[in-house]
Amino acid sequence: KNEVEQSPQNLTAQEGEFITINCSYSVGISALHWLQQHPGGGIVSLFMLSSGKKKHGRLIATINIQEKHSSLHITASHPRDSAVYICAVDGRTSGTYKYIFGTGTRLKVLA
Amino acid sequence: DAGITQSPRHKVTETGTPVTLRCHQTENHRYMYWYRQDPGHGLRLIHYSYGVKDTDKGEVSDGYSVSRSKTEDFLLTLESATSSQTSVYFCAISERSDTQYFGPGTRLTVL
Repeated sequence: KNEVEQSPQNLTAQEGEFITINCSYSVGISALHWLQQHPGGGIVSLFMLSSGKKKHGRLIATINIQEKHSSLHITASHPRDSAVYICAVDGRTSGTYKYIFGTGTRLKVLA
Repeated sequence: DAGITQSPRHKVTETGTPVTLRCHQTENHRYMYWYRQDPGHGLRLIHYSYGVKDTDKGEVSDGYSVSRSKTEDFLLTLESATSSQTSVYFCAISERSDTQYFGPGTRLTVL
């Protein structure tokens, strides 16, 4: 079993829909990160969370430390949101700053 | 955008040849990382560095070596490339447990 699991693996939505991507992890963490990767490869950090909720524009990220679960929400989705969304945890098991990544959720938003 | 460049951006080589990928940063960040990204696996850590001449192995380090002689440069070497090392390679940088910033990636094909 992977230490970081994302669901769904693939998601197709119509423009304007509310989207939720989930991430569950099984290791102790100091922070959880949500990343976005557009076709063509560039990886951009969206959020770093250690508790609660963060919002940036139409994106909202939440984390429940007790349940070891995080969600990324996209409100009023748009075709430009089409990308792979990657969850990563900062696995502070060895005292070094190393990420453990999920395999990503491929989102396609149709106009 | 964080100042990270990777070179080359694309490379095709033959099995058995040595290959060196370069990551260069202008941010003076302490930590540098090399990842590979393959379908179905997400991003996996190859090696990382926590300072000049200080490096350590990640989860998929076999067949790879690294060097960091200056803060700004982190080199990844495949001593004798194999087809299983065909992948997209990403460099990232961070300062302690802050967000990791990713380079644009290098697509390597080993024939």
